[in-house]
Amino acid sequence: DAGVIQSPRHEVTEMGQEVTLRCKPISGHDYLFWYRQTMMRGLELLIYFNNNVPIDDSGMPEDRFSAKMPNASFSTLKIQPSEPRDSAVYFCASSPRRGQFLSLRADTQYFGPGTRLTVL
Amino acid sequence: GQQLNQSPQSMFIQEGEDVSMNCTSSSIFNTWLWYKQDPGEGPVLLIALYKAGELTSNGRLTAQFGITRKDSFLNISASIPSDVGIYFCAGRKSQGGSEKLVFGKGTKLTVNP
Repeated sequence: DAGVIQSPRHEVTEMGQEVTLRCKPISGHDYLFWYRQTMMRGLELLIYFNNNVPIDDSGMPEDRFSAKMPNASFSTLKIQPSEPRDSAVYFCASSPRRGQFLSLRADTQYFGPGTRLTVL
Repeated sequence: GQQLNQSPQSMFIQEGEDVSMNCTSSSIFNTWLWYKQDPGEGPVLLIALYKAGELTSNGRLTAQFGITRKDSFLNISASIPSDVGIYFCAGRKSQGGSEKLVFGKGTKLTVNP
């Protein structure tokens, strides 16, 4: 299995530009998560999907951020317009279907390698 | 957003030494998780804990779920150079109909050969 795939691995853009980050979860996983990691705030959950449906987007910082999951094998995180404070590493993670008794598999989130975003 | 208090922030140790790190919170969590992150990669799950008081081992790693459900620790015995990385704790809780993972800020471990 290739694991969670993210693209691009690095993105450098100028303030005001639109940025689109992409994620392909592990095949068969029902949950997909987007995280942001910075030195100051650590790892923060932005949004997560279950079966392509957004479940909780309370971590999305503001309206400039949007995420979609048009099908089970693809998700995007878009920032428009981007700002320097958006510079961070953005991770996508996926996890399998939950077991009946909230088994280990429900918490086994498999992270992608991340996209390092720099907004100048 | 809510954060866990993870300590220490960094550790410099000699190969062969034991390591201990912990996380505390003012909130109760249903699950505690420990991840390791290598440079340029995403976090990888090391150990998951589901019951208060639970003590779980994974090779040289041992983690415990605190009785109060507000804390957890991770021990690494007989450290080796490949243990280098950043270790994160994470707590899972149900909130407003959804379930979230809240991460600590990490403990950066350096192992000197």
